[in-house]
Amino acid sequence: QKEVEQDPGPLSVPEGAIVSLNCTYSNSAFQYFMWYRQYSRKGPELLMYTYSSGNKEDGRFTAQVDKSSKYISLFIRDSQPSDSATYLCATPVSGGYNKLIFGAGTRLAVHP
Amino acid sequence: ETGVTQSPTHLIKTRGQQVTLRCSSQSGHNTVSWYQQALGQGPQFIFQYYREEENGRGNFPPRFSGLQFPNYSSELNVNALELDDSALYLCASSPNRQGAEQYFGPGTRLTVT
Repeated sequence: QKEVEQDPGPLSVPEGAIVSLNCTYSNSAFQYFMWYRQYSRKGPELLMYTYSSGNKEDGRFTAQVDKSSKYISLFIRDSQPSDSATYLCATPVSGGYNKLIFGAGTRLAVHP
Repeated sequence: ETGVTQSPTHLIKTRGQQVTLRCSSQSGHNTVSWYQQALGQGPQFIFQYYREEENGRGNFPPRFSGLQFPNYSSELNVNALELDDSALYLCASSPNRQGAEQYFGPGTRLTVT
C-alpha cells in the first residue's frame, strides 16, 4: 500500500463547476498536508498547506482534512479553464530532515 | 524575491553517460531537496542538502549524488545513466531543513536514449 494514494483521473468538468480532489493516506502520524498545482512541463506550485483536521479556505480553494478517516480533499469553486492542471497532494515526513511524500496527482481539465 | 531556478531546461543523454543538473535556491533559503518525477507519477525524494551536507536520502542508488555550495545553490549528478532515469528532475528549496513548505523550480527534463 502506498503511503499517499490519489486517483490519477483524468477529471473533466465544465467551467463553473465545483471540483473535488481527494487523497487518502496510510500513516496516522502524518500531520501536515499540502496541495500542489502543476501545469504541464512546469514545477509544482504550492497552493494550500494545512495542519490538523478541519477546513482551510483561500479564495476559490478549500482544503479539508479528516484525520479519523485519513482523507484529505481540495475543493475548487467556480472552476476556470486556467485551473486545468495536475493537482498533487503531499505530506512531509520528518526525521531530522523533511521529505515530501506525494500522491500520483490528479489531472484536471476544465472546459469552457 | 527570486524563485527557484534550474538549468538546463531539458537535455538528452545516452545510456552510460553522466549528467549534472543545477539549481539556485530561493533567496533566504538554506535547504535544497531534489526529486525525480517520472511521467504520470508524483515526485520521488532523492536527497536533501543543508549547509553543504547531505541531510537525508531517499531510495536512490549511490550513482545519484549531489553538492551544495556556500551560496546554497546545488547540483545533482547522475552517473552511468539508465533508460529509467528519464524523468523530470525537480529542485525544491525551503527556509530551513525541517521546514515542511518546499518551493519547487521548473525542473529539468532528462531523456536517456
